[in-house]
Amino acid sequence: DAGVTQSPTHLIKTRGQQVTLRCSPKSGHDTVSWYQQALGQGPQFIFQYYEEEERQRGNFPDRFSGHQFPNYSSELNVNALLLGDSALYLCASMGPNEKLFFGSGTQLSVL
Amino acid sequence: DAKTTQPPSMDCAEGRAANLPCNHSTISGNEYVYWYRQIHSQGPQYIIHGLKNNETNEMASLIITEDRKSSTLILPHATLRDTAVYYCIALLLNTGKLIFGQGTTLQVKP
Repeated sequence: DAGVTQSPTHLIKTRGQQVTLRCSPKSGHDTVSWYQQALGQGPQFIFQYYEEEERQRGNFPDRFSGHQFPNYSSELNVNALLLGDSALYLCASMGPNEKLFFGSGTQLSVL
Repeated sequence: DAKTTQPPSMDCAEGRAANLPCNHSTISGNEYVYWYRQIHSQGPQYIIHGLKNNETNEMASLIITEDRKSSTLILPHATLRDTAVYYCIALLLNTGKLIFGQGTTLQVKP
């Protein structure tokens, strides 16, 4: 049983570019959340998707958007990248047993 | 969302029990207490969670006070691989929104 998988593991972009990160939830999980973790900080909640809709959103600008597909997988899109968007991006999925599991993350570097 | 307070760092001798405290005095009746740990540059690892009863699994035990204002995570026999940042989080289940604080850096020493 695969856990939460994220791709790619590492990514380098330049300022102004757009990026798409992908997440496949753990089998049986239907809720996906995204987090941003800057170096030396705890993860910050970006948003959560359930039934293909954004259900909760943290304090992030509209440059951050997402999508959930019928198979529960999800994408995080970031437009007009800034240097400050460099971070570890984490995906978490939750299922019926209240356990919320994280993937290993995508390390995004914006140059 | 309830705020949690943890000591910034703790040391523990290898083989001994590690007891990590967490204060969540503003927790509401339907917020769960979750514990995660994170080793450098990896995703947070789920450890345990509970609502009001004490919980135990293969990794740890969670002791929640009767008034639910604080809890303690117990690693019964700490190993060097348990060195990590440990986060205590109060979570309202239907939000799925974890609010991470600074956590406790646990250093297990030989």
